[in-house]
Amino acid sequence: KQEVTQIPAALSVPEGENLVLNCSFTDSAIYNLQWFRQDPGKGLTSLLLIQSSQREQTSGRLNASLDKSSGRSTLYIAASQPGDSATYLCAGYGGATNKLIFGTGTLLAVQP
Amino acid sequence: DTEVTQTPKHLVMGMTNKKSLKCEQHMGHRAMYWYKQKAKKPPELMFVYSYEKLSINESVPSRFSPECPNSSLLNLHLHALQPEDSALYLCASSQEGLAGGYGQFFGPGTRLTVL
Repeated sequence: KQEVTQIPAALSVPEGENLVLNCSFTDSAIYNLQWFRQDPGKGLTSLLLIQSSQREQTSGRLNASLDKSSGRSTLYIAASQPGDSATYLCAGYGGATNKLIFGTGTLLAVQP
Repeated sequence: DTEVTQTPKHLVMGMTNKKSLKCEQHMGHRAMYWYKQKAKKPPELMFVYSYEKLSINESVPSRFSPECPNSSLLNLHLHALQPEDSALYLCASSQEGLAGGYGQFFGPGTRLTVL
């Protein structure tokens, strides 16, 4: 059974810091990976999608990479801002179920 | 229009009530999903419709009844719910089915409270 772990579970940083969120899969047989942001009580906002033929994607201050051989993905946030405070979820497609399997989430707080 | 909309935003219902949640997308997506999310947990898949046909039911209790009237609309009919069914219900859509090549896009959710 595919399990997705995100490290750290929670992170608090001062404004302006660069930070890295980690996501790892027990089954490296994934072929697409999506990062989401969720504000409290709200829906999921798609940040980046890394498709099977890609190794990374960039959008503004965000960069996500995927290493299928190791079953790991990282989300890099540059020059963090208080508005980046939210829960970040990674989710992978593929494996035996071919469904979107969510990670456990990282709760990020950026202090002004 | 790159948006998934959900109504209502909030719903409070008693255990004997019948209510419905509604989801709509106008992106031409052919797959639509219902998820349930409890506090501080990731979303859990409930149902998947692909090309307007139910393709996955994750062993959800029959008090939850999905319906896909057309390719843009997805409903979730609720009847005789239990307090433990209180959660955030999320709708999502994707361009195609489970292959996930183009990602899933989520609505803002309906906060359901069962008294």
